[in-house]
Amino acid sequence: EAGVAQSPRYKIIEKRQSVAFWCNPISGHATLYWYQQILGQGPKLLIQFQNNGVVDDSQLPKDRFSAERLKGVDSTLKIQPAKLEDSAVYLCASSWGRGGRRTEAFFGQGTRLTVV
Amino acid sequence: AQSVTQPDIHITVSEGASLELRCNYSYGATPYLFWYVQSPGQGLQLLLKYFSGDTLVQGIKGFEAEFKRSQSSFNLRKPSVHWSDAAEYFCAVVRGNAGNMLTFGGGTRLMVKP
Repeated sequence: EAGVAQSPRYKIIEKRQSVAFWCNPISGHATLYWYQQILGQGPKLLIQFQNNGVVDDSQLPKDRFSAERLKGVDSTLKIQPAKLEDSAVYLCASSWGRGGRRTEAFFGQGTRLTVV
Repeated sequence: AQSVTQPDIHITVSEGASLELRCNYSYGATPYLFWYVQSPGQGLQLLLKYFSGDTLVQGIKGFEAEFKRSQSSFNLRKPSVHWSDAAEYFCAVVRGNAGNMLTFGGGTRLMVKP
């Protein structure tokens, strides 16, 4: 079974530029998550999708971050414009669904973003 | 709101010694509990999980964890650590209902001395 795929693995941009990350979840997984992991901290949930609908985006800085999950499969996360404090690893995860044992999340390898 | 606390930021143990990593959560009902491991430059790999039933759960790589409701804890243990266990370990919690949000602790970095 293929895992969660993310691209790119690394990205360096200047502040005020824009950047986009892509995630392909495990086939059949209805729930998709984007996490931000700042160096030395645990992952923080940015947004959670159930199919192509947003379940929770309360911690997404909506003035600069946006995410979509077209057709309930792949997802993109965009930052525009980027700030220095956005430097982090962005992790995508997916699970079968919400509730019960379906909540077990599988993670991609992440995209390391450096804003200079 | 639920939260997860990992009191130890860094732990160093000698190879072959036993290990216990602490995790405490704050949530009224019994949550779903997870331990993940993250090696440098890698994503998160699930070590073990607890949903219900037996409070002592076995995971991969020789790890186990015990859920203690009275202490709101889910500590990770391994009887004999290998050098390859050096990594960052994260405890995570999900509320046991449909509104699941996987909340992580701050992590514990494990170093193994030869």
